[in-house]
Amino acid sequence: DVKVTQSSRYLVKRTGEKVFLECVQDMDHENMFWYRQDPGLGLRLIYFSYDVKMKEKGDIPEGYSVSREKKERFSLILESASTNQTSMYLCASRIGGALFTGELFFGEGSRLTVL
Amino acid sequence: AQKITQTQPGMFVQEKEAVTLDCTYDTSDPSYGLFWYKQPSSGEMIFLIYQGSYDQQNATEGRYSLNFQKARKSANLVISASQLGDSAMYFCAMREAPFNSGGSNYKLTFGKGTLLTVNP
Repeated sequence: DVKVTQSSRYLVKRTGEKVFLECVQDMDHENMFWYRQDPGLGLRLIYFSYDVKMKEKGDIPEGYSVSREKKERFSLILESASTNQTSMYLCASRIGGALFTGELFFGEGSRLTVL
Repeated sequence: AQKITQTQPGMFVQEKEAVTLDCTYDTSDPSYGLFWYKQPSSGEMIFLIYQGSYDQQNATEGRYSLNFQKARKSANLVISASQLGDSAMYFCAMREAPFNSGGSNYKLTFGKGTLLTVNP
């Protein structure tokens, strides 16, 4: 089974702190994604990476950056956390290639609270 | 403009009855795919079913079926014989053509979700 592991289930940080959210997948997937989930807004894409060192902005990249130095690991970085970044963050991965039916596999989520 | 619209913030259904969760989408791409995910209160996202834009038949997976009406741009999820464990948030999502030519890398755009409650 595919396993996507997010390093922290719950984090509490202060405004202005630098925050790292880590995600690791064990199935050699090329594509990895970071979404945030807020009540009433569904899932919104922050960034995605289609291969090592490759990244693309999603729909709401402002205030975030990402790093993909190794295929299995995709990190989301909040350079200076703000209260409006309090949210649930979901990491996902999928196999690359021409498999259009390939679904996303999600981690369990990281709930971040910024005080 | 919203690409995926789920107009039902919440739905209620009696156990053992069928329920339909609505999803409409907007795309000008002839090649696309539609997904449904379930998110129980525990938070994990569970893939349920997939429908490709060129698929001739509606997708089915056990008690889940997708009522795909291409001309109306709708992809409603039908859950038959509801169970208490079906109580969850349900998300519709769409995949459009790859963003880089010649590649196969795409992103999924999600709707806002429908919270389904199954009553005993």
